[in-house]
Amino acid sequence: QVQLVQSGAEVKKPGSSVKVSCKASGGTFSSYAISWVRQAPGQGLEWMGGIIPILGTANYAQKFQGRVTIITDESTSTAYMELSSLRSEDTAVYYCAQGYNYGSFDYWGQGTLVTVSS
Amino acid sequence: QSALTQPASVSGSPGQSITISCTGISSDVGGYNYVSWYQQHPGKAPKLMIYDVSNRPSGVSNRFSGSKSGNTASLTISGLQAEDEADYYCSSYTSSILWVFGGGTKLTVL
Repeated sequence: QVQLVQSGAEVKKPGSSVKVSCKASGGTFSSYAISWVRQAPGQGLEWMGGIIPILGTANYAQKFQGRVTIITDESTSTAYMELSSLRSEDTAVYYCAQGYNYGSFDYWGQGTLVTVSS
Repeated sequence: QSALTQPASVSGSPGQSITISCTGISSDVGGYNYVSWYQQHPGKAPKLMIYDVSNRPSGVSNRFSGSKSGNTASLTISGLQAEDEADYYCSSYTSSILWVFGGGTKLTVL
């Protein structure tokens, strides 16, 4: 059974950066895409970007281009998402999700709350 | 890339069937069979319910079914149960090399 375990909640100042981790177990980490999806309070889901670990090249939603970096460490089956130049509107729960079917996000992490506040 | 269009809310009584629509354009829903549906209970992570338009993952009740016609995909839940009350999101692959979600639909079981 695939499990994705994310790092804990963060409180950040505007203008700073945050790095969230997502450690996978129970599956084939390297071959299947890992995406990051965020959900602002009371809002819907928003895809930020994704990566296939074995290929190493990430794709990002245009909205986050230049501010987000997604990488993986195959040796530890861990994915990372770093978001820079944080603003209050980035306050959200950030999820990692892995798709074992090309067209879907089959498994989800528990979510990481990032709060941006001065 | 705009979000896919879903009704804000739907409701039904136990035992009834409901359908949630998800409308996109030819470069997302209409162009690919990569539509998926997610159920999200308050404070929980989303759960995959349907993938590739109409396929159910192992363990998902056969009361959940998906379909697509043109630029609109649909999720149907039959034999509504109290535990089906949740938010539902559709998602589609797009030609812009990204994924897009619907705005979400709140299902209320009366």
